[in-house]
Amino acid sequence: GENVEQHPSTLSVQEGDSAVIKCTYSDSASNYFPWYKQELGKRPQLIIDIRSNVGEKKDQRIAVTLNKTAKHFSLHITETQPEDSAVYFCAANGASNTGKLIFGQGTTLQVKP
Amino acid sequence: DSGVTQTPKHLITATGQRVTLRCSPRSGDLSVYWYQQSLDQGLQFLIQYYNGEERAKGNILERFSAQQFPDLHSELNLSSLELGDSALYFCASSPHVLANTEAFFGQGTRLTVV
Repeated sequence: GENVEQHPSTLSVQEGDSAVIKCTYSDSASNYFPWYKQELGKRPQLIIDIRSNVGEKKDQRIAVTLNKTAKHFSLHITETQPEDSAVYFCAANGASNTGKLIFGQGTTLQVKP
Repeated sequence: DSGVTQTPKHLITATGQRVTLRCSPRSGDLSVYWYQQSLDQGLQFLIQYYNGEERAKGNILERFSAQQFPDLHSELNLSSLELGDSALYFCASSPHVLANTEAFFGQGTRLTVV
């Protein structure tokens, strides 16, 4: 069935270091891969997304890469700041002709000052 | 503020009871989604409505049902509640039927079943 696996489940880095979160999806028909950030007690918010027709996308300190062949996509955060501390979720679109998103289990990122 | 409004913010109820969660999507959005987030769990897709019609279903329990009204707001009904139904329930909306653009999430309803 449809599945998205996300690793690691927790990640602790020093301020200024880079953080990488990896996801694997199962449905080869998936073509949209968003990343959401959820701060404690708050709603998930989109931080970046990528479609299957591109391999990489950057937005300031955040970048996402996609390897369709391996069905992997990754989030890269450079020059991390304490305010980057949150739970990050990757997702892939599910069944065709719907808006269903399959989310990974989340990565809790802690950036130590 | 995402533009998606969910009420109530918090709900405490007893086992066996029934509750209704309400969601108003962003202006102009035709798709409404419901997700469940249990403690230490990711976001589990429950159901999608598009312009009043059910479009996709996830692992939604038979005790749960939803609908989208002509004004596009949606309600999620949870009945015969069990302790394990305690969770954050998020509503999200997007303009189109397909998941190829940002889905905007509401602030969620925290349901506690005691």
